[in-house]
Amino acid sequence: GAGVSQSPSNKVTEKGKDVELRCDPISGHTALYWYRQSLGQGLEFLIYFQGNSAPDKSGLPSDRFSAERTGGSVSTLTIQRTQQEDSAVYLCASSTGQGASEQYFGPGTRLTVT
Amino acid sequence: DAKTTQPNSMESNEEEPVHLPCNHSTISGTDYIHWYRQLPSQGPEYVIHGLTSNVNNRMASLAIAEDRKSSTLILHRATLRDAAVYYCILRERSGGAGSYQLTFGKGTKLSVIP
Repeated sequence: GAGVSQSPSNKVTEKGKDVELRCDPISGHTALYWYRQSLGQGLEFLIYFQGNSAPDKSGLPSDRFSAERTGGSVSTLTIQRTQQEDSAVYLCASSTGQGASEQYFGPGTRLTVT
Repeated sequence: DAKTTQPNSMESNEEEPVHLPCNHSTISGTDYIHWYRQLPSQGPEYVIHGLTSNVNNRMASLAIAEDRKSSTLILHRATLRDAAVYYCILRERSGGAGSYQLTFGKGTKLSVIP
């Protein structure tokens, strides 16, 4: 079956521009997570959705970062006024429920801010 | 989530078993032990998880110490496709109100020698 998909796979943007990253979770998965992985670093949690609500936004690094989820499915992560330190791979994961054991990850979006 | 300690890197010969250790001396009674792996240029992939008893699945086996302060992921016959970073992660048992995001450490980079 279809896994988690993310688009675009690569994004190069100029410093100061806004970017939108998209995540299509596995159909029926109610929980959705965003993580990011900077070069040579581990994965860092950003935000968690249960359905359309985001009960845990504790990992968002600044108010330039926001995310939404509509229809309990697709999610977009928006970064405003991008900075060079935002360059990273942004990963999305979904799971069947709040306490589900497995998270299924997408391939990620590689963001480069020049 | 409680902290885990893993070796930075390990090597294995192809077709031989690999034992990847993880120490988690501060584990609580409600923490599950999860293993994920990340192949180059891909998102993380679930491998296995357990609570107290040893676990087996098609990918690997998980051996958990009797005091639960350490565990070992066992790949029975390493292949070149098993070369990845392996992460040992503790997660609370489901039922609480948390988001159950995964807290990734540095992991163990496994190299497989043909």
